[in-house]
Amino acid sequence: GAGVSQSPSNKVTEKGKDVELRCDPISGHTALYWYRQSLGQGLEFLIYFQGNSAPDKSGLPSDRFSAERTGGSVSTLTIQRTQQEDSAVYLCASSPLTLAVNTGELFFGEGSRLTVL
Amino acid sequence: AQSVTQPDIHITVSEGASLELRCNYSYGATPYLFWYVQSPGQGLQLLLKYFSGDTLVQGIKGFEAEFKRSQSSFNLRKPSVHWSDAAEYFCAVGHSSASKIIFGSGTRLSIRP
Repeated sequence: GAGVSQSPSNKVTEKGKDVELRCDPISGHTALYWYRQSLGQGLEFLIYFQGNSAPDKSGLPSDRFSAERTGGSVSTLTIQRTQQEDSAVYLCASSPLTLAVNTGELFFGEGSRLTVL
Repeated sequence: AQSVTQPDIHITVSEGASLELRCNYSYGATPYLFWYVQSPGQGLQLLLKYFSGDTLVQGIKGFEAEFKRSQSSFNLRKPSVHWSDAAEYFCAVGHSSASKIIFGSGTRLSIRP
C-alpha cells in the first residue's frame, strides 16, 4: 500500500482479555518496528523485525507481550491478559533497509489506540 | 545508558516568531540524530536527520537543527513559525550498529495567533 496501515485504529477491551494489533508495512520494507506511546512518555521501543526474525525484542514490557511477522510483511502484536497500564497508542513503523538508522527514516502508521477498562 | 531528553513539555510561540526546541542526548558513540513531527491525527514524519559532516542540517518545512557535540545537543529551530507548525515534536537518536531508534518524550508546540 501507499503507507503503513494499522488496525484497529481504536480498541476498547476489558482487563484480562487478549488483544491483537495488526501492522501492514509499506511493500518491500524489510524492517518493521513497534513502539508504544503513552501520554507524556514519548515513544517506547518494543520490538524490531528484520524480515520475519526479531533480533531486538528488548523493549517488550513483559511476557504478556509478543509479536510475530509473516512473509516479511504483516506483523501482529499480541497482548495477553491486558492490564490497565497497557492502555496506550501502539505505533508501527517500517523502513526499507536492513538497519533503519542508515537512512534515518522510519515510516509510521497512525497507530492503534488501546484502552483497557 | 542511551537516552534522549526534551526538557520542554509544552511551548507556545506567536505566529511569525522564531522557535527553538531543545534536545539533549546521552549516547556511547557518535550518534545519528533525528527530529520527527507528529501533527494532530497524523503519523510521525521525519523532519531532518544528522549522520555526519556539516553540523547544521536543513530539513523540510523550513526547519533546521544544529548538532553540538560539546553540549550533547541537537536543537531544532525555525526562523518564523506558521500556525500549521502546531504539533508534537520528537527528538530521536540511533547508531549504525544499533537496531532501534530511541525517542524523547516530545515537545508540544502551540501557536498563538
